[in-house]
Amino acid sequence: AIQLTQSPSSLSASVGDRVTITCRASQGISNALAWYQQKPGKAPKLLISEVSNLESGVPSRFSGGGSGTDFTLTISSLQPEDFATYYCQQFSNFPLTFGGGTKVAIK
Amino acid sequence: EVQLLESGGGLVQPGGSLRLSCAASGFSFSNYGMNWVRQAPGKGLEWVSVVSRSGDTTYYTDSVKGRFTISRDNSKNTVFLQMNSLSPEDTAVYYCAKKAIPAKGQYFDYWGQGALVTVSS
Repeated sequence: AIQLTQSPSSLSASVGDRVTITCRASQGISNALAWYQQKPGKAPKLLISEVSNLESGVPSRFSGGGSGTDFTLTISSLQPEDFATYYCQQFSNFPLTFGGGTKVAIK
Repeated sequence: EVQLLESGGGLVQPGGSLRLSCAASGFSFSNYGMNWVRQAPGKGLEWVSVVSRSGDTTYYTDSVKGRFTISRDNSKNTVFLQMNSLSPEDTAVYYCAKKAIPAKGQYFDYWGQGALVTVSS
């Protein structure tokens, strides 16, 4: 199975900060990567598909990048509603796998 | 409006069985692959299984192979997860998740609210 390693596992940041989360795959996955946001007690929400395609309704401060095995999710200016846990997911091969998550907390 | 509504969760003893259902509405159900994803208490997301649009193709994560069976009834817009030989490690919130675009990869644009499965004696 393809392993996804997210870093950091948690971070503290202030409103207005630029935040970058990294997701590293154990083998190349082309552009088969998505990012989700999850708030406590809620289902995940799809933010980005195929590395960099922003889903409809997702603010433009979110962006995704990378290729091959190394990918990033960037929030250009952190807003209060962005404090949540973020997960990457690969859909290159079955079994589908998720990264371990990155919790973004308020500093 | 797309809606996914899970049911069938609850408390079950180790070795027992449970069947989850996910009733879908607001989209053409038979055109989309459907998945189950779980989340153990305080842990991350784990993909469990997928069933193709027609129901003839399924995949599972290794830890549930031979114990869980995914199926669907397109006439009732419902996907199922039959879970047998349950162990405490299966304790989790189970989410039903819809594949975003039929012709694209297996990522999920809509999720249900989740069904809690607790395996304990």
